Amino acid sequence: EVQLLESGGGLVQPGGSLRLSCATSGFTFSSYAMIWVRQAPGKGLEWVSTISASAGSKYYADSVKGRFTISRDNSRSTLFLQMDSLRAEDTAVFYCAKGSVSTWAILDFWGQGTLVTVSS
Amino acid sequence: EIVLTQSPATLSLSPGERVTLSCRASQSIDKYLAWYQQKPGLAPRLLIYDASNRAAGVSARFSGSGSGTDFTLTISTLEPEDFAVYYCQQRGNWPPITFGQGTRLEIK
Repeated sequence: EVQLLESGGGLVQPGGSLRLSCATSGFTFSSYAMIWVRQAPGKGLEWVSTISASAGSKYYADSVKGRFTISRDNSRSTLFLQMDSLRAEDTAVFYCAKGSVSTWAILDFWGQGTLVTVSS
Repeated sequence: EIVLTQSPATLSLSPGERVTLSCRASQSIDKYLAWYQQKPGLAPRLLIYDASNRAAGVSARFSGSGSGTDFTLTISTLEPEDFAVYYCQQRGNWPPITFGQGTRLEIK
């Protein structure tokens, strides 16, 4: 059974940093692209970042480029999102998702999400 | 960036009814559209990919169609568990991956 479990969310002040983790099991982590998607309270879904299986390719939404860094540890089947220079508008539930076997951009399994609140 | 526009924003229907949700892309994305279902407090769930392919374990009452810029998700007979928010998502021209704003399907 595929499982993804995010952690690391919490309350942080504007300008602060936070590192999210996504621990996975039930599939060969090193073979799949992984994705972060966020959802502001009461709003829709927003793609944040994608990393290829080997970590050789990384993509970011313009809204987070230069502030967020996606990475992965294939030996630990874990995905990360380092978030720096956080702003109030980054407040959201952050989901990690697995890319499908055929393409990086079909999100076939999702974690339950972790809430990030940026506020003073 | 490709913008996806979903309509209507909200639908009020009764169990047993048939429903069709719409998603329009700002430019052609061939067949590269997916649909997700999200229930309150839960993560989204993949329903349909590449316009018309059901994901594993998805009920046959869900079907998708379309290509180019116009796509639809049809639920043939609404069950109580189908009342949720539905999002479309394109991969025809990424990055960025983009989502529609969602259609809320509520019980009448």
